[in-house]
Amino acid sequence: SQQGEEDPQALSIQEGENATMNCSYKTSINNLQWYRQNSGRGLVHLILIRSNEREKHSGRLRVTLDTSKKSSSLLITASRAADTASYFCATLSGAGNMLTFGGGTRLMVKP
Amino acid sequence: ETGVTQSPTHLIKTRGQQVTLRCSSQSGHNTVSWYQQALGQGPQFIFQYYREEENGRGNFPPRFSGLQFPNYSSELNVNALELDDSALYLCASNILDVPGELFFGEGSRLTVL
Repeated sequence: SQQGEEDPQALSIQEGENATMNCSYKTSINNLQWYRQNSGRGLVHLILIRSNEREKHSGRLRVTLDTSKKSSSLLITASRAADTASYFCATLSGAGNMLTFGGGTRLMVKP
Repeated sequence: ETGVTQSPTHLIKTRGQQVTLRCSSQSGHNTVSWYQQALGQGPQFIFQYYREEENGRGNFPPRFSGLQFPNYSSELNVNALELDDSALYLCASNILDVPGELFFGEGSRLTVL
């Protein structure tokens, strides 16, 4: 079963616009991570936010975490055509390194 | 490039057959995890291996089994293949006591006919 749900499932924007993706999860977490996946390829780690953090930045990426609402958002600013991909949130809970992924948001950035 | 390599990249099997997928971890990583990703869905955790022993398992039947070798490379074996086993199988490595990102390979795309 999947811990999280991404919203929207699909998003289409013009180059230069901002893209916001949301993720909700069900159980308490140690951290939440966002990954990117180009069509049919492996996942690439984008950013990690710990449960005691509320916001984190990395380049054009901004992630927020609201543990009271069990939700996170990923903002990509000034999007580029090369940002076209699927984006997944994943939560880490308890011991070990088992990640529980959401269903993903498919982002298309039109040039 | 993450340094995690998987083979084969694509393969086709028929229902009832067995398959072995291989993964070479990133140098210095002692833990390997396997995920199944059906088309259009997020990856689902199959199991994790640490020091050659299973260290956690998701909701997958026993016909999914694995091995980790002393050099930290790993195999995923699936017996009695079913049509629903068609998916992208992803291997990821990391250091067990560093609860951070996982480093994924490019995956093995399995099609069961």
